[in-house]
Amino acid sequence: DSGVTQTPKHLITATGQRVTLRCSPRSGDLSVYWYQQSLDQGLQFLIQYYNGEERAKGNILERFSAQQFPDLHSELNLSSLELGDSALYFCASSPTGAHFTDTQYFGPGTRLTVL
Amino acid sequence: KNEVEQSPQNLTAQEGEFITINCSYSVGISALHWLQQHPGGGIVSLFMLSSGKKKHGRLIATINIQEKHSSLHITASHPRDSAVYICAVGSQGNLIFGKGTKLSVKP
Repeated sequence: DSGVTQTPKHLITATGQRVTLRCSPRSGDLSVYWYQQSLDQGLQFLIQYYNGEERAKGNILERFSAQQFPDLHSELNLSSLELGDSALYFCASSPTGAHFTDTQYFGPGTRLTVL
Repeated sequence: KNEVEQSPQNLTAQEGEFITINCSYSVGISALHWLQQHPGGGIVSLFMLSSGKKKHGRLIATINIQEKHSSLHITASHPRDSAVYICAVGSQGNLIFGKGTKLSVKP
């Protein structure tokens, strides 16, 4: 158990809808990262938040947004969903705001299915 | 061409064999990560390297910055090592992933 929690575990929704994925980091970790894993694209970095501020941005679509709250949990919002958004979404956390020079601890993932 | 290339894509080994998985990259990096993804989907970070060599139990990771190459070695492989091993490099505020190496260790 990494100490990172993600909810929900599974989500099934329809095209055009909006969903929110939630992540709670390990106790004491200040950075949260979001990743998407799809069959055709593999793993992709979406975005990093550090202590409430956006720290790094990867291949995140404009239809997606994220935020980190004062209690350090993070939410990833996906809107105007398309079939191609079906994927596993992972959250990870690390102690500092370093750009990928910290060990990351991954959550169990949320499997999103868009029908 | 992908910025991070792993080889082999698939690897089948007998229990007890020494295994090597390779990762080559074409960008400047701040660090290189080796991750393990279990059949159930969970991801575990194995190593984070910026130079030299690290060892944890039966796992050894090395990196050669000049040659832009890293290797992950598993000594005395065991069926519980069966998983997908993923190399990722931190570069310019992004983490770029390889496509993974699927390892199957037979008893």
